[in-house]
Amino acid sequence: EDQVTQSPEALRLQEGESSSLNCSYTVSGLRGLFWYRQDPGKGPEFLFTLYSAGEEKEKERLKATLTKKESFLHITAPKPEDSATYLCAVPRSYNTDKLIFGTGTRLQVFP
Amino acid sequence: GAVVSQHPSWVICKSGTSVKIECRSLDFQATTMFWYRQFPKQSLMLMATSNEGSKATYEQGVEKDKFLINHASLTLSTLTVTSAHPEDSSFYICSAPPPDSHGYTFGSGTRLTVV
Repeated sequence: EDQVTQSPEALRLQEGESSSLNCSYTVSGLRGLFWYRQDPGKGPEFLFTLYSAGEEKEKERLKATLTKKESFLHITAPKPEDSATYLCAVPRSYNTDKLIFGTGTRLQVFP
Repeated sequence: GAVVSQHPSWVICKSGTSVKIECRSLDFQATTMFWYRQFPKQSLMLMATSNEGSKATYEQGVEKDKFLINHASLTLSTLTVTSAHPEDSSFYICSAPPPDSHGYTFGSGTRLTVV
């Protein structure tokens, strides 16, 4: 069964304390892996798309990487405003736009 | 960038009444839109695919007669929750694939509370 699993479920960091979030998937024929940020009561905000193993993308304090089985979202020197839930998602199959979402990682960054 | 607008952002309705939620693509045309539901501390679950000019397709377990979807134009899809009950209370979010296919754009979500 196609699955997307994220870990940890929750993460508490001190401001400036770098860490990584994990997203593992079992979907065959990957056609892109997406990272989103979701603030409470809001829709997901697009961060990155990764298409092939070895690919990396960066945006401010965030860097996403992809292997054949998982993706990491690295957060360098986080700030309190980085606090949010981070979701990863993959298309259900190669020829569909229907996404399967992971359960997310709730990140809290304390000053 | 591609923007999807969703209204209302929150709504409270009485049990047994119907509620309509609108999803608009503001700067691009969307022949397909997706409707998701999210319960507290859970992830997004796809409910249905809205197709312009044809019937919506529903995921297994989603009642098509309760969740009516109309894709009236290339920029507008609506979700109507009919005969709402407290268990329908949830966060509903729409999404559309943008023209450049680099990341799906989501609306801001609608918090539905049925009392």
